[in-house]
Amino acid sequence: ELKVEQNPLFLSMQEGKNYTIYCNYSTTSDRLYWYRQDPGKSLESLFVLLSNGAVKQEGRLMASLDTKARLSTLHITAAVHDLSATYFCAGPHDMRFGAGTRLTVKP
Amino acid sequence: DTEVTQTPKHLVMGMTNKKSLKCEQHMGHRAMYWYKQKAKKPPELMFVYSYEKLSINESVPSRFSPECPNSSLLNLHLHALQPEDSALYLCASSFRDRDYEQYFGPGTRLTVT
Repeated sequence: ELKVEQNPLFLSMQEGKNYTIYCNYSTTSDRLYWYRQDPGKSLESLFVLLSNGAVKQEGRLMASLDTKARLSTLHITAAVHDLSATYFCAGPHDMRFGAGTRLTVKP
Repeated sequence: DTEVTQTPKHLVMGMTNKKSLKCEQHMGHRAMYWYKQKAKKPPELMFVYSYEKLSINESVPSRFSPECPNSSLLNLHLHALQPEDSALYLCASSFRDRDYEQYFGPGTRLTVT
C-alpha cells in the first residue's frame, strides 16, 4: 500500500518569500499528482508528474519528481496571498493522498 | 466540456432516510471515483468504477451503495447512515483507471442528523 507523507503540514509565509513543500512516498511510483483545495471547495489539479526528473511550472508554483528518492517537491516563488490554500500530493493506483499542507500567505 | 457536476450541493438526512448523490461528466472519461472528505483531512477513496464496472471498494460499509448506470453517470445511494458519515463527498473522473489526472466535482456536503 502506497503511503504518502507531506511536510510541513502547516506553513505560514510572508508575501514575497520562497518556500518548498515536500512529498515523500513509500513505494515505487513513476508518477505523482499535486492538487489545490480552497476552504469549503473541491480539489483542483495543479500538476501531473509522469516520470523521473519531471519538472512543471505554473506561475509561482513549480513541481518536481525524483522517483529514485521517492520525493516530490512543490516550490513556491515570491508568494502572494492568492496562493493561500491547502495543497495535497497524491500517488497513483490507489490514489492515496498526503495529509495536506495548509498554506497561509500573509502581507 | 471539462466539468464534473454533482447534485445536490448540500444534503441533510436523518439516520432512517434513503437518499442518493449524483455525479455526471461528459469528458469521455472511463473511470469515476467517489471520495469522502472530513474537515481538515485529505480525501479518502471509497469506490472506483472503470468502464462502468466496480474495480475498487475500499471496505466501505454497505450503507453506501455505488451505481454506475453508464459511462457518464455515477450515483451513490445512501441508507441508514450514521452521524459520523457527515462529510464532503467528492466525485472525480479520469481518462482511464487511476493512472491519470483526476477531475473533481464540487462535492456534496452531507449532514446526517
